[in-house]
Amino acid sequence: DSGVTQTPKHLITATGQRVTLRCSPRSGDLSVYWYQQSLDQGLQFLIQYYNGEERAKGNILERFSAQQFPDLHSELNLSSLELGDSALYFCASSVEAAWGDSPLHFGNGTRLTVT
Amino acid sequence: AQTVTQSQPEMSVQEAETVTLSCTYDTSESNYYLFWYKQPPSRQMILVIRQEAYKQQNATENRFSVNFQKAAKSFSLKISDSQLGDTAMYFCAEGQGAQKLVFGQGTRLTINP
Repeated sequence: DSGVTQTPKHLITATGQRVTLRCSPRSGDLSVYWYQQSLDQGLQFLIQYYNGEERAKGNILERFSAQQFPDLHSELNLSSLELGDSALYFCASSVEAAWGDSPLHFGNGTRLTVT
Repeated sequence: AQTVTQSQPEMSVQEAETVTLSCTYDTSESNYYLFWYKQPPSRQMILVIRQEAYKQQNATENRFSVNFQKAAKSFSLKISDSQLGDTAMYFCAEGQGAQKLVFGQGTRLTINP
């Protein structure tokens, strides 16, 4: 168990809808990262938050947004969903803003299916 | 731009054999980190081993070891005495210890009894 909690585990929704994915980092970790894993693909970095502030952006669509709350949990909001957004969405956390000396710890992911 | 390439989409070996997974990367940074992550059917991403680019010595973790060739930008993973529980997708990843960790496409490893 990595200590990173993601909810829900599975989500099925229709095109055009909006969903929110939730992540609670490991106790003591200040940094949260979101990754997207499409079918048989590697993980694509979406966005990072550190102690409530956005730290880095990757290949995140404008339809997607995220935030990190004072209690350090994070939410990833996906709107105007398209079939191609179907994927496994991972949250990871680390102690520091720079993870070199504190490796990423991943949650079990949220499987999003858009129909 | 950072790129990570895993040239073996799938591999299969018998239990107790040794297997090596290949990974090459491209980065313009002088200092960076390399990782191997394992993703079993449970789909959780589990850190297997990591290597800091400025360290010459290859990292080892029990049955797992790496062959880090900095000049060739190669970072292969060797699994010795393979076990059924090693069956998983293995992802190589590279980053500068800041934010963006770049993953390869993965190698699906099957350990046969």
